Amino acid sequence: NAGVTQTPKFQVLKTGQSMTLQCAQDMNHNSMYWYRQDPGMGLRLIYYSASEGTTDKGEVPNGYNVSRLNKREFSLRLESAAPSQTSVYFCASSEAGTSAYEQYFGPGTRLTVT
Amino acid sequence: DAKTTQPPSMDCAEGRAANLPCNHSTISGNEYVYWYRQIHSQGPQYIIHGLKNNETNEMASLIITEDRKSSTLILPHATLRDTAVYYCIVRAKTGANNLFFGTGTRLTVIP
Repeated sequence: NAGVTQTPKFQVLKTGQSMTLQCAQDMNHNSMYWYRQDPGMGLRLIYYSASEGTTDKGEVPNGYNVSRLNKREFSLRLESAAPSQTSVYFCASSEAGTSAYEQYFGPGTRLTVT
Repeated sequence: DAKTTQPPSMDCAEGRAANLPCNHSTISGNEYVYWYRQIHSQGPQYIIHGLKNNETNEMASLIITEDRKSSTLILPHATLRDTAVYYCIVRAKTGANNLFFGTGTRLTVIP
């Protein structure tokens, strides 16, 4: 099992450009999450998907959109990147939305917006 | 979810037990204590969780005080690979789906 995979690992964007971060999990988990981590800080939830076909906003959703493409895949889109979105983005998955205690994280995507 | 307080950093000698404290004085009855760690540049990793009883698994032990207002994560024989940021998180097992990570404790294991 690969667990949670994310692509790309690194990305540099110019202000105003768009991009999609991809995430996939092979553990048959129902729930998936997108977090961002700024230097020296903990992770903050951007969006989550409790189950296939549903998405909900987290703490910091502004400037992002998500798509739960199927049970395996959950993508994060930046429509018009801003320097404030420079961060490390982590995708995670868990077994079930309302009873989850263990989230499995991907290796992260390091995004720089200039 | 209840707020947690952790020391910003700790050192531990290799081979010794690392005891990481966490204060969660406003914890409510249905909230669990979870511990995750994040090794440099990697995604966080689940370690252990508990409600009121002490818990042990292959990675660590979790000691929760009787009043549940604080807990301690114990790594019994710390190795250099245990150097990481350790996050104590308190949340109900149902309800909101996010984990509030805070800033954690940076544990440095010294050779």
